[in-house]
Amino acid sequence: DGGITQSPKYLFRKEGQNVTLSCEQNLNHDAMYWYRQDPGQGLRLIYYSQIVNDFQKGDIAEGYSVSREKKESFPLTVTSAQKNPTAFYLCASQDWFTGELFFGEGSRLTVL
Amino acid sequence: AQTVTQSQPEMSVQEAETVTLSCTYDTSESDYYLFWYKQPPSRQMILVIRQEAYKQQNATENRFSVNFQKAAKSFSLKISDSQLGDAAMYFCALQNQAGTALIFGKGTTLSVSS
Repeated sequence: DGGITQSPKYLFRKEGQNVTLSCEQNLNHDAMYWYRQDPGQGLRLIYYSQIVNDFQKGDIAEGYSVSREKKESFPLTVTSAQKNPTAFYLCASQDWFTGELFFGEGSRLTVL
Repeated sequence: AQTVTQSQPEMSVQEAETVTLSCTYDTSESDYYLFWYKQPPSRQMILVIRQEAYKQQNATENRFSVNFQKAAKSFSLKISDSQLGDAAMYFCALQNQAGTALIFGKGTTLSVSS
């Protein structure tokens, strides 16, 4: 089945550690996104990529990094510089013709 | 800069009744796309409905329809014949044009009672 796969679903991290969240898609979409969701804050854009080897910062990119070496993959690294990383993270890819975003099931990161 | 505002953090409706969720936005572009997404308790985001700004006709998808007022920059979602399964958080979203990021509002939590 075509879709977006995020892993892991749940992740615990100690303060000071970097963690990487995986996002893979088999929809042949060029554009991919990472959003952070906090209660009462909606979805805030972290990074997005329109094409392989290119990506742009969103509104809350500080403390995060991404790479886009393959069309199918857009991993997000939450670095130790991110001051409040506990959140729900959503990855999406976008159909260029309709603009529709297709979302993964999300990853819940908890910093202990 | 583009912004999306949802002024109703929470709404409630009874089964079979109609409810309208509000959304206003700001953009300097004339051509853009507007979306409503649903996030049920499972947290899986699902597209509800989509509107292209150049189209004057309001989009409809079964029980879901929009009232798109371009001059007022308003994009409300009407849910008719509400069902228990409609209970979710609903997000309004805007994309100016291909190549720019899709921006979301803060969401409205809809409760449906029997």
